[in-house]
Amino acid sequence: GAVVSQHPSWVICKSGTSVKIECRSLDFQATTMFWYRQFPKQSLMLMATSNEGSKATYEQGVEKDKFLINHASLTLSTLTVTSAHPEDSSFYICSARGRGVPYSNQPQHFGDGTRLSIL
Amino acid sequence: DAKTTQPPSMDCAEGRAANLPCNHSTISGNEYVYWYRQIHSQGPQYIIHGLKNNETNEMASLIITEDRKSSTLILPHATLRDTAVYYCIVTGTASKLTFGTGTRLQVTL
Repeated sequence: GAVVSQHPSWVICKSGTSVKIECRSLDFQATTMFWYRQFPKQSLMLMATSNEGSKATYEQGVEKDKFLINHASLTLSTLTVTSAHPEDSSFYICSARGRGVPYSNQPQHFGDGTRLSIL
Repeated sequence: DAKTTQPPSMDCAEGRAANLPCNHSTISGNEYVYWYRQIHSQGPQYIIHGLKNNETNEMASLIITEDRKSSTLILPHATLRDTAVYYCIVTGTASKLTFGTGTRLQVTL
């Protein structure tokens, strides 16, 4: 149980284009989803937290107009990198927290990440 | 959230128990200890978590000291597939996870 699917696994695109990454919880309903970014040889950095049906909360230094997050249902969240540039190249990872009881200590379950390369 | 301290790297022989320590001396009463691991080029994998009692599941055991200032993750019979970076994270209820640098565990033949 607790499977999170992320798509696509790899993306290579030209500078200036927008890229959408999907994150789905396959066997549970996710009230909260999280988006992280990881640069080579570094740890994961939280970008934003999204709750179903409400606006995402972004971490300090993360541009909300550049990284658009939509959490339209309890099983799907999307991250769109708008007008991507080479410095946006990174490993993007989503996670989801279920609605189990007690909700307060439900663990986050992670997708396998999306490697984004901007040429 | 409480800060954690982990050794940067550890080695373990295949088949032996791997004991990964974590110090969290500033942990608050309502904060949980979570363990995740990240195998190269994959997303983190949830292992186990606990509040104050020792916990065990099919993957590992978590031993939390009585004063809750430190914990140990135990992989009872390490295999080569357990080679990964292991993260110990302390966080409050429904709070976000802050990843540190973790412990790089190398399991060898």
